[in-house]
Order: sequence, then C-alpha cells, then structure tokens
Amino acid sequence: EIVLTQSPGTLSLSPGERATLSCRASQSISSSYFAWYQQRPGQAPRLLIYGASNRASDIPDRFSGSGSGTDFTLTVSRLEPEDFAVYYCQQYGFSPYTFGQGTKLEI
Amino acid sequence: QVHLVESGGGVVLPGGSLRLSCATSGFTFRNYGMHWVRQAPGKGLEWVAFIRHDGNDQFYAESVKGRFTISKDTSKNSVRLQMNSLRPEDTAVYFCAKDGEGLDYWGQGTLVIVSS
Repeated sequence: EIVLTQSPGTLSLSPGERATLSCRASQSISSSYFAWYQQRPGQAPRLLIYGASNRASDIPDRFSGSGSGTDFTLTVSRLEPEDFAVYYCQQYGFSPYTFGQGTKLEI
Repeated sequence: QVHLVESGGGVVLPGGSLRLSCATSGFTFRNYGMHWVRQAPGKGLEWVAFIRHDGNDQFYAESVKGRFTISKDTSKNSVRLQMNSLRPEDTAVYFCAKDGEGLDYWGQGTLVIVSS
C-alpha cells in the first residue's frame, strides 16, 4: 500500500497570503494519477487538481499543483476566505487508491 | 450536469448488513468507473472500493475486503455497495464518486452508524 503523508497537519495563515501544502508518497508514483481535493465543513470533497498539475473544471487559477516521484505540492497563491478548508492528496494509480491524512488550512 | 445521490444509510447492529446505492445522472454511466469513499466522524477520507466502467474488475481497501461488494447496475445508472459483517469502525459517511481524471464528481454522502 502506498502511504501518503501530508504536511503540515495544520497551516495558519491570513487572507491574501500564500499557502504551500506538501504530500509525500512512500514510493514513487506516476504524476498522471495524483490529485488534490478540498473539503469544506459539512460538504463533500471537491476535486481541485488532477494529474499533479492540472486544474479541474471551474477551479480558480490561484490554485496550482506541482511535483513528481514522491513529492508533490499544492500552492494557493493568494488566499481567499473560502479557501480555508481541509485539503487531501490522493494517488489513484495503484490500488488501494490511498488518501493523505489531510492538511487543515485555518485563519 | 453530473449528479450523484447516495441512499441506504442508517443504523445497524454490529454483524449486520446494509446496502448503499448511488443514483447517477448527467453522464454516460457505462463509460466510467465508480468509487466509494468513506469518512468516519471527525476523521479524514478513506478510499473503500472501485469498480471499472465495464464492471469486470473490482478493487477494495484491505479493511473491507471480503465483507463489502461493489457493483454497477447499468440499466439504472447506479452503483451499489453491499456491506456485510459490519463493525463499529465502519461507522462513517459514505460518498460515491465518479472516476475520471481523479474522482471528479462526488455525492453528498449517506451516514452509516454501526452500534448496539
């Protein structure tokens, strides 16, 4: 099983600041099968980034993804109030299609 | 647009069974695989199961293998999760999600509580 470890567990920032979230895999994975999701309280997760660096439909361009191999990054260039949520990474190349434990982005 | 709606959640005794359904619309169901993902109260996301677009292959998390079965009903555009031998640790909100580039559409979830 591929284990994904996200850091930090909690990130405290202010609107307008830049956020950098990390996800490290226990073994090398194809960037084609790596995604980031956002989950706001009481809501279902929403796909932000697929293929490590491609924004999903209707995702603002302040969200960007990068990385390859075992190290991946989600960057939010200028935080808006609605961006404060929990973010999860996921690999969907090898079953089981594991998620990271999440990073809470808080004000 | 794409819609996914889960149903079938509820309270069940340990050792009991429950069948979840996910009704879909807005896309060509037979062309896409489907996932189930769960989230225990206050916890993170846990991937549970995946079925390929043609229904010929299924994949499961170790924690549910041998107890849960995922299936597709193409005639009804729905995906199901048959859950047997339920345990208290299976208590969670269960989401269905469409497979695309990532899990690109999600339902709102259905709550399963396993408790005596």
